[in-house]
Amino acid sequence: QSALTQPASVSGSPGQSITVSCTGTSSDVGSYTLVSWYQQSPGKAPKLLIYEVNKRPSGVSHRFSGSQSGSTASLTISGLQPEDEADYYCCSLAGGSTFVFGTGTKVTVL
Amino acid sequence: QVQMQESGPAVVKPSQTLSLTCAVSGDSVSRGGYYWSWIRQRPGRGLEWIGCVYYTGASYYSPSLESRLAISLDTSEDHFSLRLTSVTAADTAVYYCARGAFGEFAHDSWGQGVLVAVSS
Repeated sequence: QSALTQPASVSGSPGQSITVSCTGTSSDVGSYTLVSWYQQSPGKAPKLLIYEVNKRPSGVSHRFSGSQSGSTASLTISGLQPEDEADYYCCSLAGGSTFVFGTGTKVTVL
Repeated sequence: QVQMQESGPAVVKPSQTLSLTCAVSGDSVSRGGYYWSWIRQRPGRGLEWIGCVYYTGASYYSPSLESRLAISLDTSEDHFSLRLTSVTAADTAVYYCARGAFGEFAHDSWGQGVLVAVSS
């Protein structure tokens, strides 16, 4: 069970849109529509942003959206803001009631 | 609003057992439809799912840790626990507890995390 693959870093200017990818296999991401995304600021616990590929919990900005194609999921942040600077992690059910997280992506607002 | 709080020793000696507890308030660990996970983050590294326990008491573990790991529920006290045996320096991490809902399979509530160092 290997970690899902994410780019180490993604950056953008305020107001731009950026996309973070999350690549798994047919045993995890490719088998389910159950990818979730988390935002983690330094020294803080992760916060759920997206669940079931593209659903937002109450209170999460509409600027965050998710999608999936095959074994690759994506998180898009639209209208990038300085407060979006954080680490982002994807997570997927991986069979047998286990989970696997992504390697994490540091988003920098230029 | 569910709240979760991890507790346990800050330092554990190599080869000993790491034991942590997650106290849950505002919800019940025996409420149907939920599972309770432990997730860790080694210094400077990413999140790693360790394992979870269902409201039924059934537990599931990361394949890389399952030989050393036990996660259990205490419904009378509304908490769940982690026991990791034969620890090494590689087990030094911030350990988080988190709640997830069946169907969604996402962790919607997290504790603040507790740093555990394995050191002699």
